[in-house]
Amino acid sequence: SQQGEEDPQALSIQEGENATMNCSYKTSINNLQWYRQNSGRGLVHLILIRSNEREKHSGRLRVTLDTSKKSSSLLITASRAADTASYFCATVRNTGGFKTIFGAGTRLFVKA
Amino acid sequence: DGGITQSPKYLFRKEGQNVTLSCEQNLNHDAMYWYRQDPGQGLRLIYYSQIVNDFQKGDIAEGYSVSREKKESFPLTVTSAQKNPTAFYLCASSIGTGLNTEAFFGQGTRLTVV
Repeated sequence: SQQGEEDPQALSIQEGENATMNCSYKTSINNLQWYRQNSGRGLVHLILIRSNEREKHSGRLRVTLDTSKKSSSLLITASRAADTASYFCATVRNTGGFKTIFGAGTRLFVKA
Repeated sequence: DGGITQSPKYLFRKEGQNVTLSCEQNLNHDAMYWYRQDPGQGLRLIYYSQIVNDFQKGDIAEGYSVSREKKESFPLTVTSAQKNPTAFYLCASSIGTGLNTEAFFGQGTRLTVV
């Protein structure tokens, strides 16, 4: 079963608006990452937040992590049409080796 | 150029045939992964390898096999035992340590059973 569950499954916004996506997970983690996937392509790493961090920024991206609630959020500010893609959270657990598990993703559509 | 390469991009297989998907990386990464993605879905882990000559089953390993004879290469064989193999297959690699496990992905292989 998937470790991470993204919410919402799909999101449609106007260019310039902010987009917020959430991710919940079930077990303890080493770190949590967010990835982006354009249709039919591989995934591209966006940002990594460690289990002892609460917030991290990278350009227009802001990620929060609440380990007590086992949840994370990804905020994209001032969205652009080029941000249209699927966004996945991934959790990394040490199970005798570091195993990366992905959620089902949020499909974001930004209308120009 | 460092990166991770999957080939072929598109693959067609007849029912009952085994096919092998190639994944090569020149990033000097210890860990490599294979994921399956179905339309509109997330990624499901098939197999992963933390080091050469070692690999572990993921969540959906049945009907698949892998080998890790070289650090750079992690081929995936889709066997005839896989009942529904049509999907998009993604290979990834990472340094493999807990503090820095960003995964780098190939561009994927789309497998279709005809």
